[in-house]
Amino acid sequence: GNSVTQMEGPVTLSEEAFLTINCTYTATGYPSLFWYVQYPGEGLQLLLKATKADDKGSNKGFEATYRKETTSFHLEKGSVQVSDSAVYFCALSEEYSGGGADGLTFGKGTHLIIQP
Amino acid sequence: EAGVAQSPRYKIIEKRQSVAFWCNPISGHATLYWYQQILGQGPKLLIQFQNNGVVDDSQLPKDRFSAERLKGVDSTLKIQPAKLEDSAVYLCASSLDLRAEQYFGPGTRLTVT
Repeated sequence: GNSVTQMEGPVTLSEEAFLTINCTYTATGYPSLFWYVQYPGEGLQLLLKATKADDKGSNKGFEATYRKETTSFHLEKGSVQVSDSAVYFCALSEEYSGGGADGLTFGKGTHLIIQP
Repeated sequence: EAGVAQSPRYKIIEKRQSVAFWCNPISGHATLYWYQQILGQGPKLLIQFQNNGVVDDSQLPKDRFSAERLKGVDSTLKIQPAKLEDSAVYLCASSLDLRAEQYFGPGTRLTVT
């Protein structure tokens, strides 16, 4: 079956530091890849996505590149802010011919703490 | 635009009791999902509906969990009887279709004592 593995947290960084959260996946086909974020007290929301190999998703200064050869989708940001403190989830979904798609398979989440 | 609504937000029950959760998706969204998120883990898909038909319920413990989506809009998820290991946040999500972005509700936090 499909699975997602992401680095354990919590990850604690100082403001303006460079961020990398590693994510690797196992899938039977060619999935779409996602990063979701959950800010304190809020619901899950989509941060960025990529639907095919070598695609780069980006949003709010975050970016991730779909690497088929290493089955990875690492999340990066050049300079983090205190407001980026949240839990980040890597996820995948496989699509099928005819318009179908699976629900999301999530990793365990990485708690990011940014200190001023 | 109103988001995905869920109720109740919190529920505490004793083991062997039954409980039901309600979800109202974003208007016009054909696809609806229920996920279970146990503390410290990522959400796990329980069931996926397309309109009022089930697309995938392979991870739904059917001996105690049931879900329905009457008229292809609102949905209810029921647990009967509950076990201690059912303590989790139950998330509802909806999307325009099977491949569109999923929007999540705030969740229902269930505690089974």
